[in-house]
Amino acid sequence: DIQMTQSPSSLSASIGDRVTITCRASQSISVYVNWYQQRPGKAPNPLIFAASSLQSGVPPRFSGSGSGTDFTLTISSLQPEDSATYFCQQSYSMPWTFGHGTKVEIK
Amino acid sequence: EVQLLESGGGLVQPGGSLRLSCAASGFIFSSYAMSWVRQAPGKGLEWVSSIDNSGGRTYYTDSVKGRITISRDNLNNTLSLQMNSLRADDTAVYYCVKEKKKARDGFDSWGQGTLVIVSS
Repeated sequence: DIQMTQSPSSLSASIGDRVTITCRASQSISVYVNWYQQRPGKAPNPLIFAASSLQSGVPPRFSGSGSGTDFTLTISSLQPEDSATYFCQQSYSMPWTFGHGTKVEIK
Repeated sequence: EVQLLESGGGLVQPGGSLRLSCAASGFIFSSYAMSWVRQAPGKGLEWVSSIDNSGGRTYYTDSVKGRITISRDNLNNTLSLQMNSLRADDTAVYYCVKEKKKARDGFDSWGQGTLVIVSS
C-alpha cells in the first residue's frame, strides 16, 4: 500500500498568514493526489484534485502543487473559516490511502 | 445539486450485521463510480470499498474483505454496503462518496455520514 505522510500534524497561524501543508508519498504517484478539508463534525469537503486543480466553488486562496512523491497544499491568506483538518489522499493505486491529517488552528 | 443521504447506521453487537444505504440524487448515478469511506471516532479517513458505475467491478480494503459487500441499484439510484461479522474496529462514521468522472481524480461529493457502533 502507498503511505501518505503529512506534515505538520497541526499548526497555528494568524488571519492573513500563508499556510503550507505537505504530503509525501511512499512511492512516486505522478499527480494523483487530492486534498480535502474537514471542519469539526462535518463531512470532508473536496478542495483540490490531480495535485493542482481546484474543485468547483473552492476559493482561489487554496492551491496545490507537486508531482512524484512530494505535494503541497497552500492557503495564501488564512481566513477564520479555514480552521479545519486537512487530508491528502492518493488515487494512483488501490487501496486509496489518506494522510493522517493536519489540524489548522487560528491564533 | 448532488445529494448523498446515508442511512442504516446504529448500534450492533460484535459478530452482528448491518446494511447501510445511500440515496443519491442530483446527478446521473449510473455514470459514476461510488465509494464508502469511514472515519473512526477522532481518527483519520479510511477508504473501505468502491464500485464501478455499472456494478460490475468492486474493490475492498483488506481488513473488510470477505465481511463487507458493496452493491448498487442504478434504477433506484441507491448505493449499499452489507456489513457482516462486525468487529469493534469497524466502529466509525461511514460516508457515501461520489467519485469524479475521470478515474483517479478522487472524490467530489460526500454524504453527511452514518454512525456505526459495534459494541456489546
